[in-house]
Amino acid sequence: KQEVTQIPAALSVPEGENLVLNCSFTDSAIYNLQWFRQDPGKGLTSLLLIQSSQREQTSGRLNASLDKSSGRSTLYIAASQPGDSATYLCAVKAAGNKLTFGGGTRVLVKP
Amino acid sequence: DAGVIQSPRHEVTEMGQEVTLRCKPISGHDYLFWYRQTMMRGLELLIYFNNNVPIDDSGMPEDRFSAKMPNASFSTLKIQPSEPRDSAVYFCASTPREENYGYTFGSGTRLTVV
Repeated sequence: KQEVTQIPAALSVPEGENLVLNCSFTDSAIYNLQWFRQDPGKGLTSLLLIQSSQREQTSGRLNASLDKSSGRSTLYIAASQPGDSATYLCAVKAAGNKLTFGGGTRVLVKP
Repeated sequence: DAGVIQSPRHEVTEMGQEVTLRCKPISGHDYLFWYRQTMMRGLELLIYFNNNVPIDDSGMPEDRFSAKMPNASFSTLKIQPSEPRDSAVYFCASTPREENYGYTFGSGTRLTVV
């Protein structure tokens, strides 16, 4: 059974600092990995999608890496801003098109 | 495309009442998923459909929960009778059959059972 873990569960940084969010998964037989952002009381917004054959994916200040063999992904957010405060979730898609989520990392960027 | 559409956005009901949540997936997406999110348990997969057929309902907590997908553009999740512990945010998501696509989530329905 696939298990996805996100460490740390919460993170607080001053504005301008780079954010590093970690995600690990137990079964490397995945189709892709997706990073989501969730604001309080809101839905899930997809940030980045990395295919199993890719090593990284970039969008603006966001960069996500994937090491499928070791079961790890890292989301980097450069030059953090207060507007980046949210919960970040990673999820892996595997057989049956099922998505398994990590518990999320709650980020607070202080002005 | 309007994305995955869920209704209602908020629902407050009394214990024992029937609750029906609705979802319209993105046109052309073959898979539809129902998730529940709580502070204690995070995001839990309740049930998912492929081409309107339920594939895995092992996450449905009790017989009080049921889900249907009568056609490719509509699904319902019903709770009867509802209990306070069912209070949560319920999300619907859809994805195409191709493996290399990601999921798109609806905005969710916040259910409160009093």
